[in-house]
Amino acid sequence: DSGVTQTPKHLITATGQRVTLRCSPRSGDLSVYWYQQSLDQGLQFLIQYYNGEERAKGNILERFSAQQFPDLHSELNLSSLELGDSALYFCASSVIAGGAYNEQFFGPGTRLTVL
Amino acid sequence: GDSVTQMEGPVTLSEEAFLTINCTYTATGYPSLFWYVQYPGEGLQLLLKATKADDKGSNKGFEATYRKETTSFHLEKGSVQVSDSAVYFCALFKTGANNLFFGTGTRLTVIP
Repeated sequence: DSGVTQTPKHLITATGQRVTLRCSPRSGDLSVYWYQQSLDQGLQFLIQYYNGEERAKGNILERFSAQQFPDLHSELNLSSLELGDSALYFCASSVIAGGAYNEQFFGPGTRLTVL
Repeated sequence: GDSVTQMEGPVTLSEEAFLTINCTYTATGYPSLFWYVQYPGEGLQLLLKATKADDKGSNKGFEATYRKETTSFHLEKGSVQVSDSAVYFCALFKTGANNLFFGTGTRLTVIP
């Protein structure tokens, strides 16, 4: 158990809908990362937050957004869902952002299926 | 840009066989290198790491050596077990960056 929790575990929805994925980082970790794992794109970095502020963006679509709240949990919002958004979404956390070495601890993931 | 190239899978081995999963990277500077493992139905777990050239990371019988001259970080294990069946990801992290770059993953199946 990494200490990172994600809810829900599974999510099934229809095209055009909007969903919210939730992540609670390990106790003491200030940085949260979101990754998408799909069959065709592999494991891709989406976005990072550090202590409530957006720190870096990766291959995140404009239909997707995220935020980190004062209690450090984070939510990833996916809207106007398409079939191709079906994937496993991972959250990871680390103590700091950047630096010389940054060990990230991953949650169990949320499996999103868009029908 | 920075990238990680992993050996294509899937890989199927008999129990007690020798395992090698190749990983090469492209990056400027001196990245840290990692192997993560994903067991069925679970998230990624850090398996081992190396933060500078010639470092050897090791854990649970797995080893990988950071070779700057060949830009490689191949994963090896002398005798695999059925419980090692999982997907293995090679990844790099650059100082000052904000995220890990992952390879495509290699699925390993170990049969009794």
